[in-house]
Amino acid sequence: DAKTTQPPSMDCAEGRAANLPCNHSTISGNEYVYWYRQIHSQGPQYIIHGLKNNETNEMASLIITEDRKSSTLILPHATLRDTAVYYCIVRVPHTGNQFYFGTGTSLTVIP
Amino acid sequence: EAQVTQNPRYLITVTGKKLTVTCSQNMNHEYMSWYRQDPGLGLRQIYYSMNVEVTDKGDVPEGYKVSRKEKRNFPLILESPSPNQTSLYFCASSFTLPPRNTEAFFGQGTRLTVV
Repeated sequence: DAKTTQPPSMDCAEGRAANLPCNHSTISGNEYVYWYRQIHSQGPQYIIHGLKNNETNEMASLIITEDRKSSTLILPHATLRDTAVYYCIVRVPHTGNQFYFGTGTSLTVIP
Repeated sequence: EAQVTQNPRYLITVTGKKLTVTCSQNMNHEYMSWYRQDPGLGLRQIYYSMNVEVTDKGDVPEGYKVSRKEKRNFPLILESPSPNQTSLYFCASSFTLPPRNTEAFFGQGTRLTVV
């Protein structure tokens, strides 16, 4: 079962930062936080993942709180193409455990 | 280009007619899996495979079969499809052994309609 809680929907103005929150209050010490997005029924696309340190790549930044009970995905300059459903997932890597996607946050970027 | 390829992308079939959805990955991933996505239910895992000749049931395996004879291929078989198997199907693959990154790569999906 999904171990994360996300708001069902959010809007963001084009060009502004989109901050997507995720609560994972029961996360265990060896579970990582992964973020994926799904654009209009296409296959989910990996964005970023982390354990406890903040992470940044070419797509986004991931901020994990010190107690690891929540995290925020930041898209620094949202574009219309970022309109998608964003999923926050906790998982132990290297175990073959499945990704539980939950219902995610539907982000709409507004022109 | 690293990718997971599913075929066909769209399929309409009749109840009881056996079908196979193919999945192939070119990244030498050990782990492959199948998901179905239905409105309001999210993605649910059907079967997964940790490596060649090793498969196991996910959360919703009834009515499906899989095989993993080669590392790159993981076909999904519906021996006798029924209308409740109408869904959007995704194949995914990833590494499982450290220190490789373990993010999953997904195919573009197969939209199956059983009438």
